[in-house]
Amino acid sequence: GQQLNQSPQSMFIQEGEDVSMNCTSSSIFNTWLWYKQDPGEGPVLLIALYKAGELTSNGRLTAQFGITRKDSFLNISASIPSDVGIYFCAGSFGNTGKLIFGQGTTLQVKP
Amino acid sequence: DVKVTQSSRYLVKRTGEKVFLECVQDMDHENMFWYRQDPGLGLRLIYFSYDVKMKEKGDIPEGYSVSREKKERFSLILESASTNQTSMYLCASSLDRGRDGYTFGSGTRLTVV
Repeated sequence: GQQLNQSPQSMFIQEGEDVSMNCTSSSIFNTWLWYKQDPGEGPVLLIALYKAGELTSNGRLTAQFGITRKDSFLNISASIPSDVGIYFCAGSFGNTGKLIFGQGTTLQVKP
Repeated sequence: DVKVTQSSRYLVKRTGEKVFLECVQDMDHENMFWYRQDPGLGLRLIYFSYDVKMKEKGDIPEGYSVSREKKERFSLILESASTNQTSMYLCASSLDRGRDGYTFGSGTRLTVV
């Protein structure tokens, strides 16, 4: 089946640093999504991308839909302690309604 | 805001028990999903449903079944719980076919002893 490879698996950074994570797929996706999961909660949608090359921002977060449609990245600028959590990429293809999720990137921020 | 409510945050069950995990959404979404979340493996789809009384297998359906008798409720059933089903279970719903993403519940952490 389709798989998403998300990296890095975990990051431990200093407050104020920028963060970058990415996802790659063996197949083409029509939609890329980025979620954040706070400890003890379900994932919450951060950014949705619908077109190859699309660059979208949400506050300090910026995500891009790769030109090949097989990858996406998420950047967080000037990290703060509340950025702590697990970040998931997800992709969908066709009209199945199913999302494929990456393995997640666990982010820890040291004040 | 759409709310997806999972009936239990924590459950402890014994091996061999039949376990029911309940999920209710309040925004008239057609589509509902059950995932399990394990460290290093991300979210894996167990079952999903596009309509009442309809169900489709996801990537890891073995040992599970589902029930959708009403549009707002999607139940996950562990027919005979085993220790390898200890996990975080997440329910989600969506209005469309995934284009705008899912809304997730807060999860049920199930421990099978």
